[in-house]
Amino acid sequence: DQQVKQNSPSLSVQEGRISILNCDYTNSMFDYFLWYKKYPAEGPTFLISISSIKDKNEDGRFTVFLNKSAKHLSLHIVPSQPGDSAVYFCAARDQTGANNLFFGTGTRLTVIP
Amino acid sequence: DSGVTQTPKHLITATGQRVTLRCSPRSGDLSVYWYQQSLDQGLQFLIQYYNGEERAKGNILERFSAQQFPDLHSELNLSSLELGDSALYFCASSVASNTEAFFGQGTRLTVV
Repeated sequence: DQQVKQNSPSLSVQEGRISILNCDYTNSMFDYFLWYKKYPAEGPTFLISISSIKDKNEDGRFTVFLNKSAKHLSLHIVPSQPGDSAVYFCAARDQTGANNLFFGTGTRLTVIP
Repeated sequence: DSGVTQTPKHLITATGQRVTLRCSPRSGDLSVYWYQQSLDQGLQFLIQYYNGEERAKGNILERFSAQQFPDLHSELNLSSLELGDSALYFCASSVASNTEAFFGQGTRLTVV
């Protein structure tokens, strides 16, 4: 049972344009959401996070939006750069306190120069 | 460099065998997590340890087991290996009060 879903396996964007990566979740007990970026042959690296008490968090070119009523979050990258090409994973933490993260299946972003 | 060290980086073994994957967490991190990533799949949570004790269990097979030692390093033991166990196995660690987990580079296990 996939509690965190990324329905787009891949996304291609022109350099300089906006990249929007989407993520849906089913568990209303999730209270913290994270995005990780993964390059080939490397482990995932933390990118940005958002608490369920907020609806937006911004860090440089990266902004995460959370819509709790729709159980949806998105990552916006503006402007997109070729170095952003990677697989992006959405993750969510439940409130049980175990700090357990549930991951989506990832979206492969390709930024075309 | 995340500070999380996994060994070995690559492992090739035959079906039916047993292997041990090792993880050294970041200095100061008490929590260790194990994840499995099969081909074209997301990261599947296997198990979490906190300060030597099992904290949470995910989709971990009975053939798999893990432990966290007093020095906080962790080992994931995979036995009676099957072809379908071929995957990337990631370890991550976090400080109890933080929510970001930092990942190692993974161990690529190939069962032939």
